[in-house]
Amino acid sequence: KQEVTQIPAALSVPEGENLVLNCSFTDSAIYNLQWFRQDPGKGLTSLLLIQSSQREQTSGRLNASLDKSSGRSTLYIAASQPGDSATYLCAVYYSGNTGKLIFGQGTTLQVKP
Amino acid sequence: DGGITQSPKYLFRKEGQNVTLSCEQNLNHDAMYWYRQDPGQGLRLIYYSQIVNDFQKGDIAEGYSVSREKKESFPLTVTSAQKNPTAFYLCASSSPGGMAKNIQYFGAGTRLSVL
Repeated sequence: KQEVTQIPAALSVPEGENLVLNCSFTDSAIYNLQWFRQDPGKGLTSLLLIQSSQREQTSGRLNASLDKSSGRSTLYIAASQPGDSATYLCAVYYSGNTGKLIFGQGTTLQVKP
Repeated sequence: DGGITQSPKYLFRKEGQNVTLSCEQNLNHDAMYWYRQDPGQGLRLIYYSQIVNDFQKGDIAEGYSVSREKKESFPLTVTSAQKNPTAFYLCASSSPGGMAKNIQYFGAGTRLSVL
């Protein structure tokens, strides 16, 4: 069964800290992996997308890595700010899935001033 | 201003009532999706449509119905057969192909509650 898991479910850090969010997936035959941000009661905003042929993608203070062999992706947030507080979801598009994304449960991040 | 518009933002359903959630996109995307999100959980796929006049069941389609008569619109009906409809519903659409394939763009969501 194709599953995506995110641990921990919640994380609290002081402002300025560098942090890593984890995402693991059970099937290495992925087409791409996407990281999203969700603010409370809002929709999802795409942060980064990594194609299966790529090892990492960067956008500003965010860096996402992909290791298909180990079934893992990480989202690195540098110099965290209170405005980074949100839920972060990873989602995997498996090859042959005709458009279906498989989502993890999300990690809720709180950055304290 | 391109994007995905979901309406209403909040919706209340009475016992035995069918309700319809609207999703409209002006991104010229072929594919559209409906997801359900329960507290503390990820998104689960209800229905998706790759092209007009065609749609497929997702993982939790029971108690829901959809139509895709126009490329821009993909309404979701929550029927009385759905016994636990209280959730946050998200609509998404995705680009047709190339390196941007399946980058999904989301609407702001509709929160459905049962009276």
